[in-house]
Amino acid sequence: DGGITQSPKYLFRKEGQNVTLSCEQNLNHDAMYWYRQDPGQGLRLIYYSQIVNDFQKGDIAEGYSVSREKKESFPLTVTSAQKNPTAFYLCASSIMRHNEQFFGPGTRLTVL
Amino acid sequence: QQPVQSPQAVILREGEDAVINCSSSKALYSVHWYRQKHGEAPVFLMILLKGGEQKGHEKISASFNEKKQQSSLYLTASQLSYSGTYFCGTQAPSNFGNEKLTFGTGTRLTIIP
Repeated sequence: DGGITQSPKYLFRKEGQNVTLSCEQNLNHDAMYWYRQDPGQGLRLIYYSQIVNDFQKGDIAEGYSVSREKKESFPLTVTSAQKNPTAFYLCASSIMRHNEQFFGPGTRLTVL
Repeated sequence: QQPVQSPQAVILREGEDAVINCSSSKALYSVHWYRQKHGEAPVFLMILLKGGEQKGHEKISASFNEKKQQSSLYLTASQLSYSGTYFCGTQAPSNFGNEKLTFGTGTRLTIIP
């Protein structure tokens, strides 16, 4: 079955540690996205990538980093510079510009 | 700039109708609508491109008025399964490539029997 996988579903880390969230898709989509969702709020774009080895900052990129070495994979690293990292992180992909975005199940990150 | 959704929350009895609005201060190329159940990922409902078209998905339809930079989502004869938070995502026109989606803060819809 085609889809987007994110792992793990729940992640706990100590303050000051970097953590990498995984996102893999087998839909053959060119574009991939990372969003952050806080309780009662909408989705805010962290980073997005339209092609391999290229990515752009979204609205809240500070404290985050990404890579896009393969079409299928778009990992997100939450660095210690991110002041409020506890949130629900969603990865999405789309086949081309303007098309619907398919979301993964999300990773809930809690920093203690 | 984030689009504004209204209302923020609405409670309906099963079978009633609802309208959710999405307004932007910027010119729009497209509007996307998604529904998210609690603790789950958002699910795509429909996309509307500029041209004032109206689309439908079973008993859920939407319109897009590009001149007013507004879109409305219509839910008729609501079912319990319609409960969730509805988000609009807006996309500005661009000559340079994929313009990112900007999501509203959502409208929480609760359907009661």
